[in-house]
Amino acid sequence: NAGVTQTPKFQVLKTGQSMTLQCAQDMNHNSMYWYRQDPGMGLRLIYYSASEGTTDKGEVPNGYNVSRLNKREFSLRLESAAPSQTSVYFCASSEALGTGYTFGSGTRLTVV
Amino acid sequence: SQQGEEDPQALSIQEGENATMNCSYKTSINNLQWYRQNSGRGLVHLILIRSNEREKHSGRLRVTLDTSKKSSSLLITASRAADTASYFCATDPNDYKLSFGAGTTVTVRA
Repeated sequence: NAGVTQTPKFQVLKTGQSMTLQCAQDMNHNSMYWYRQDPGMGLRLIYYSASEGTTDKGEVPNGYNVSRLNKREFSLRLESAAPSQTSVYFCASSEALGTGYTFGSGTRLTVV
Repeated sequence: SQQGEEDPQALSIQEGENATMNCSYKTSINNLQWYRQNSGRGLVHLILIRSNEREKHSGRLRVTLDTSKKSSSLLITASRAADTASYFCATDPNDYKLSFGAGTTVTVRA
């Protein structure tokens, strides 16, 4: 099925460990996004990529890095995980500016 | 910071009734979007209304937008158990930074 695929679905990390969250879309969308969702706070934008070859910071970029590997793939890296990064992470894509987003099913990350 | 705020935070209705939730925002927008999230799942795009539109329909959904009051409403008519979910409004200021509210949790009782 067409859409946004995120891996892994669940992950437990120890404080200080690093990991990369993977995201791929097969809809030929130009723009991709990483959000985190915390209880009672809605979704907050971490980083986005307006088009292949560009990335920009969102609202909460500290502690994260991203790579737009190609048009399909946009990864999110935690270099040194902290308990404050315990959250559900969502990747999304959109065809163009001003259009609706397609979301992946999320990665539930726990940092202990 | 969140641009949109949904009201109420939670809503419980009987199957067959209508559900209405509101969204208020602070700055000018290019469009406003509504999303649904079922428990443990990703968000699903429901409807997009542009700043020059006042009302839009999609199936059992009706969205209104009042840019002078910086507010929007989502009406779900003839609710079903499958409509049980969280609903989020998202404001698009036309800069790739879609901003989400904290959501309204809707429970439809059989």
